[in-house]
Amino acid sequence: KAGVTQTPRYLIKTRGQQVTLSCSPISGHRSVSWYQQTPGQGLQFLFEYFSETQRNKGNFPGRFSGRQFSNSRSEMNVSTLELGDSALYLCASSPIPTELGPEQYFGPGTRLTVT
Amino acid sequence: AQSVTQLDSQVPVFEEAPVELRCNYSSSVSVYLFWYVQYPNQGLQLLLKYLSGSTLVESINGFEAEFNKSQTSFHLRKPSVHISDTAEYFCAVLGYNNNDMRFGAGTRLTVKP
Repeated sequence: KAGVTQTPRYLIKTRGQQVTLSCSPISGHRSVSWYQQTPGQGLQFLFEYFSETQRNKGNFPGRFSGRQFSNSRSEMNVSTLELGDSALYLCASSPIPTELGPEQYFGPGTRLTVT
Repeated sequence: AQSVTQLDSQVPVFEEAPVELRCNYSSSVSVYLFWYVQYPNQGLQLLLKYLSGSTLVESINGFEAEFNKSQTSFHLRKPSVHISDTAEYFCAVLGYNNNDMRFGAGTRLTVKP
């Protein structure tokens, strides 16, 4: 079974632009979570989607948004990019909502650099 | 909400020596506990997990962790490390019936020849 895939793997943007990252979960998985990883803040939870609905959201500004499609693929969008948004963005999938079962499987991440 | 503290940011060790990576958690509810490993330029891989039952859990590559409820700890151990174990290790906690997984800051394990 193929793992979690994320595209693109690397991305360079300039301040003020917007960016969209994509995540395809493991086949059959319906829950997708997004995390931001930076050297200073570590791993921080962004949001989780299940069956196209956002179930939980971390403490990030409204510039960070996401959505999930009917095939469980998910996208996250960051508008008006700031230098501090430079990070590794990780997507994780699980077969059911997290609170009903804790298995999460991570993709390789998208490395976003904002200049 | 839950929180996780990994007590060592870096652990250097020689090959074939034993290692312990320490993790303490805080939670007002019962929890699931995890250890993930991250190799350079890769995502996180689940190493092992404690869901319920036996407090000692093992991975296929020789790591083990013990859930200690009284000390709220979930330390990771390996009796003999290899160069290939060099990576960053993250402890994570998830409370029952919520979907807010919290990660520790990570411990960078460096195995030297």
